[in-house]
Amino acid sequence: DTGVSQNPRHKITKRGQNVTFRCDPISEHNRLYWYRQTLGQGPEFLTYFQNEAQLEKSRLLSDRFSAERPKGSFSTLEIQRTEQGDSAMYLCASTLESSGNTIYFGEGSWLTVV
Amino acid sequence: AQSVTQLGSHVSVSEGALVLLRCNYSSSVPPYLFWYVQYPNQGLQLLLKYTSAATLVKGINGFEAEFKKSETSFHLTKPSAHMSDAAEYFCAVSEGNTDKLIFGTGTRLQVFP
Repeated sequence: DTGVSQNPRHKITKRGQNVTFRCDPISEHNRLYWYRQTLGQGPEFLTYFQNEAQLEKSRLLSDRFSAERPKGSFSTLEIQRTEQGDSAMYLCASTLESSGNTIYFGEGSWLTVV
Repeated sequence: AQSVTQLGSHVSVSEGALVLLRCNYSSSVPPYLFWYVQYPNQGLQLLLKYTSAATLVKGINGFEAEFKKSETSFHLTKPSAHMSDAAEYFCAVSEGNTDKLIFGTGTRLQVFP
């Protein structure tokens, strides 16, 4: 399978702990996106990379959140000092730069903060 | 800023009936529009997209959507619903040079036998 891969798929953590999610985009896709989806809502944009450069961050991305994409391949999303409000599904997506191109999504990483 | 509005958070149809899921967009420039489907506990799968070619777009699983600029709409239809169509459907617009997607709040489709 050469789709967008995310892991772990599920993570349960205690409030205050740090968690990290990894995303492996489709090979050669230079654009990578992170979204957050809570129950009953549509995905909300968090941040976007073009190659290794993080070009845009949503105001939803508080200073407890950090994303990286070293070498322009896989990406990590770290949440520090987790709060119950961080419980959500974190979706990663990728595409090849070109307007209107299809953006492919991974299966998502579910985070539950207890 | 671009946005999409999905009218109706829940739609219920009988198997074999017409499916109509509504989406209206707001955009100051010609938009790229998308419909995605999400099955429980899964990511999003592209159904179809409009990129300023034909206004009637055909997608997978028998779905299609028509871009109507005068109505700023991009409604999703399927002539005959199947039980396997039960899922959450999201309309999205692509924004700017980043291609990031702005999603609607989704419509949950239920199909009854």
